[in-house]
Amino acid sequence: EVQLLESGGGLVQPGGSLRLSCAASGFTFSDYALSWVRQAPGKGLEWVSGISSGEGIHTYDADSVEGRFTISRDNSKNTLFLQMNSLRAEDTAVYYCAKHVGQSYYHYCMDVWGNGTTVTVSS
Amino acid sequence: DVQMTQSPSSLSAFVGDRVTITCRASQGISSFLAWYQQKPGKVPQLLIFPASTLQSGVPSRFSGSGSGTDYTLTISSLQPEDVATYFCQNYYNAPLTFGQGTKVEVK
Repeated sequence: EVQLLESGGGLVQPGGSLRLSCAASGFTFSDYALSWVRQAPGKGLEWVSGISSGEGIHTYDADSVEGRFTISRDNSKNTLFLQMNSLRAEDTAVYYCAKHVGQSYYHYCMDVWGNGTTVTVSS
Repeated sequence: DVQMTQSPSSLSAFVGDRVTITCRASQGISSFLAWYQQKPGKVPQLLIFPASTLQSGVPSRFSGSGSGTDYTLTISSLQPEDVATYFCQNYYNAPLTFGQGTKVEVK
């Protein structure tokens, strides 16, 4: 069974940092692109960052997080990461890890989602 | 960026009704369009991609259509378990963008 399990969320002060992890199982991790998608309380879905398959040479960050968040992957550990720096109140959300159906984060939609981890940015 | 405009933002219908949700992209996205269902308190689930192909296990009362900039999700006979928020998504190019969602309720 394909599974994604996020961890690393929590309460952080504005300007602080967090590192989210997403442990994958049930598929050949390196063969697929992955993304982070977030959902603020009571709001819709926002794509945050994507990383291509393999060595993850190609990445993309939404304008709202560019320069503050960094997506990466460790294929030896079947784990996806999101390093979040300079956090703001508007980054408060549930963060989902999602697997794409192919090698790229575009031209391939997301077929499996984790249960999410909650990030709260507040003083 | 491709803007996705979904309508309506919410609807309420009777069990057995036909329900239609539309999604318009600000530019052509060549059917690189997915629909997701998010039940209350749950994780989004992929329903349809690209544009009209049902994901494995999705009931046949769901269907998708469209091309270019205009796409539609139809539930042919609404069931109580279909209560959810439905999102369309452009995955033609980055940044991937979602519609604002349509909340479907049963009267």
